Amino acid sequence: QAVVTQEPSLTVSPGGTVTLTCGSSTGAVSSGHYPYWFQQKPGQAPRTLIYDTNNRHSWTPARFSGSLLGGKAALTLSGAQAEDEAAYFCLLSYIGARPVFGGGTKLTVL
Amino acid sequence: QVQLVESGGGVVQPGGSLRLSCVASGFTFSNYGMLWVRQAPGKGLEWVTIIWYDGSRKYYVDSVEGRFTISRDDSKNSLYLQMNSLRAEDTAIYYCARAFCGSGGTCSSYYFAMDFWGQGTAVTVSS
Repeated sequence: QAVVTQEPSLTVSPGGTVTLTCGSSTGAVSSGHYPYWFQQKPGQAPRTLIYDTNNRHSWTPARFSGSLLGGKAALTLSGAQAEDEAAYFCLLSYIGARPVFGGGTKLTVL
Repeated sequence: QVQLVESGGGVVQPGGSLRLSCVASGFTFSNYGMLWVRQAPGKGLEWVTIIWYDGSRKYYVDSVEGRFTISRDDSKNSLYLQMNSLRAEDTAIYYCARAFCGSGGTCSSYYFAMDFWGQGTAVTVSS
């Protein structure tokens, strides 16, 4: 089974910009991996933010954007707010296998 | 609005059984595939199983194959997870989620994800 890797932790200043990445042990991540991004605040259920690389759901704030960057899927937060402090998980799909979650990135806004 | 409400979690001894339930509202349940996703204490997410909208396909993560069974009752807008032969490593919060498969809307054996999530129900396997 593929291993999906994320930064364990990142810190961003209020109003700042940060990019979280999602890599794959099988090689470069492409749109064919249909990257998803989820946000989970402490004590809450996950919430889906981004699907198919760069599509926001209707409830996803515009300050979150998805892309492919340097062979990885990326989630960029522009204009961080205190309420964005959370864990972020990515999910990648693999032909011939089942989707795999990354280990998550704990984002601190400080 | 879409709501998913799980129940049935609790404390069970190793080798025991539990049945989780998830009641859905706010959408046409029979039109959607449904999943269970779990999260061990302090750990990441792991999808456990998915059932197609019509029940025609079911997939399980290897670690629960043969022990867990997913089912649905569209007349009750309900999803179930029968968990047998429970192990300590099954200890987790179990989330019910609605399947979502992108802009095209077509799920496959390798491409499925989720849009709406329930609040979860906690399962502890301990002697």
